[in-house]
Formats: sequence, C-alpha cells, structure tokens
Amino acid sequence: DGGITQSPKYLFRKEGQNVTLSCEQNLNHDAMYWYRQDPGQGLRLIYYSQIVNDFQKGDIAEGYSVSREKKESFPLTVTSAQKNPTAFYLCAVTTGGIYGYGYTFGSGTRLTVV
Amino acid sequence: AQSVTQPDIHITVSEGASLELRCNYSYGATPYLFWYVQSPGQGLQLLLKYFSGDTLVQGIKGFEAEFKRSQSSFNLRKPSVHWSDAAEYFCAAQPWGAQKLVFGQGTRLTINP
Repeated sequence: DGGITQSPKYLFRKEGQNVTLSCEQNLNHDAMYWYRQDPGQGLRLIYYSQIVNDFQKGDIAEGYSVSREKKESFPLTVTSAQKNPTAFYLCAVTTGGIYGYGYTFGSGTRLTVV
Repeated sequence: AQSVTQPDIHITVSEGASLELRCNYSYGATPYLFWYVQSPGQGLQLLLKYFSGDTLVQGIKGFEAEFKRSQSSFNLRKPSVHWSDAAEYFCAAQPWGAQKLVFGQGTRLTINP
C-alpha cells in the first residue's frame, strides 16, 4: 500500500445508515483523493483535498461528505442520501515533487448495501 | 476536452503471446503519463511513468510503454505474458501544474492457458 491504509476492507451498510471509510497515510503528502470504482466504469473522483481543512468536490460528490482535520487522515462518509453506494472505494495520495508525480493508492474498501 | 481513452475494454491473449494495450490522450501540452495495474479486489499499482526524455519507458514486471507525440499515444507492451498478468490496466494523465490524474476507462486483460 506504500504508506496508505484503508479500513475496513469490507463494509456493509443497511438502508438509511451513514458509514465512514477510513484513509490514513504516512507519506507526508498534502493531496489526498477519494475515488469510486464500479464495474466497467473506471475510476470516478468523489472528493479531493490539497491541504488540511480544505477539500473540493469531484465529479460525483452528491451523497458523500469528507473532512480533513489532519494531514494524515481523509475519511469519507457515505450518507443515506447516496442511493447506490455499493461500490469499491479507493483512496490515493499524490506522490513526489511540488505538483506530484502520480498517485499511490490504498488497497480499497468494498462497500455493500444489505 | 482533456481526456484519456483506452479503446479496448477487454483483451484476451494466450500465455506466452505478446501484448499491447492502447492509450490515447487529448491535451494541449504533453502531460505526465502513467500505467497502473489492478488485480481483483486490490488497489492500483504503478507499472511505469513518462515525464520527458526517452520515449521508451521501462517498468516493473517486464512491461514497457512507448510515448508517441505524433499519435498522442502511450501504449503499454509486454513481449510474453504470464497468467499472473491477468488484471485490469489503467492509463492515466496528469497535466503540468495539476495534481489530479485523469484516468482512462481501463482495459481488462484475460490470459488463456
């Protein structure tokens, strides 16, 4: 995982529940990202944060929320407003240089609605 | 619009055969370019990257990629595939001065024994 830890690996959510996915990094990089992956749809950006206490919406932010209180942590909450949350969620950190040279990814969390 | 296109959704090759996965990008200036591999249920692992210089880039696991400016392409190749290469492969681009990567839709590789 290159210094990025996502937990849990599997998560089950009941209808109407909020759930929080954890992403922690020890790479000392500022920029962190959350992606959603569905079969055949590639990676879609949910939220990203370039610095502590600041974050921006990605392409599919509706039904999700984030916080960035510490450099090391960027948790993602899947709210009850997200109607189709079953997916594979990936956290990433920009690596290297001022602007970064690509990402390092976590190992992912698979969320299933039951 | 800036984009990355992987024309092939699914490719099947026989073990031991050569492989080429296609990637085209649409940017005004050449971006940084990457290939990632994803095994089922796992995160993405960086195979190789191109920033500038030599247009033939060597990566891990015996992969290489060739940057062709005239064709706006960054195709991934391997001379002889192994069953363990079965995975999904993503091409990505990072414009200069931007931190976000733009990903292609991915190509799923199946290996026939």
